[in-house]
Amino acid sequence: GQNIDQPTEMTATEGAIVQINCTYQTSGFNGLFWYQQHAGEAPTFLSYNVLDGLEEKGRFSSFLSRSKGYSYLLLKELQMKDSASYLCAVRDSGKSTFGDGTTLTVKP
Amino acid sequence: GAGVSQSPSNKVTEKGKDVELRCDPISGHTALYWYRQRLGQGLEFLIYFQGNSAPDKSGLPSDRFSAERTGESVSTLTIQRTQQEDSAVYLCASSLGEFSNQPQHFGDGTRLSIL
Repeated sequence: GQNIDQPTEMTATEGAIVQINCTYQTSGFNGLFWYQQHAGEAPTFLSYNVLDGLEEKGRFSSFLSRSKGYSYLLLKELQMKDSASYLCAVRDSGKSTFGDGTTLTVKP
Repeated sequence: GAGVSQSPSNKVTEKGKDVELRCDPISGHTALYWYRQRLGQGLEFLIYFQGNSAPDKSGLPSDRFSAERTGESVSTLTIQRTQQEDSAVYLCASSLGEFSNQPQHFGDGTRLSIL
């Protein structure tokens, strides 16, 4: 079966750095995606990892360790608009399995 | 439009009625996905299409749920004899291919409420 775990909630301060972890146990692996979802809106793509290591994209970075079944999303220089749910998704063959998401609240 | 389009955006219906939800993917996207999202929860996979065929229907909750796709474009998700537990947002997404590294692009969803 597929199992993806993320913390349910996190809180951080504007301007700070926050790391959102994701661990997974899946029968197959073709890549890991991170999406951002603001309340009442559709998810939007943030990052993709298929090889071990760090992918950097502006204020957002994502890390993958396939041997450990582990990924994290790093958000730097937090802004109030970063308050949202962050979804980790693992692609296995054609299908993607999503975690339940981590709700991040950024406080002034 | 350039994005994934879903209709209706909201649907309220009585328990026991059938509903049909529509998804127009991004032009050229061969893979299409349906998810269900209950309030405050993550995305629950329902089914995906590669072209007009559905390699994985494992997420459909019961035989009341069915989906089809025609012309490698529009897809419809049909729920028969709706139940109150079917109330959720139904999200559709498309991507360039089932094995590509391209992300899924989501529509705004259909918010379904069963009275």
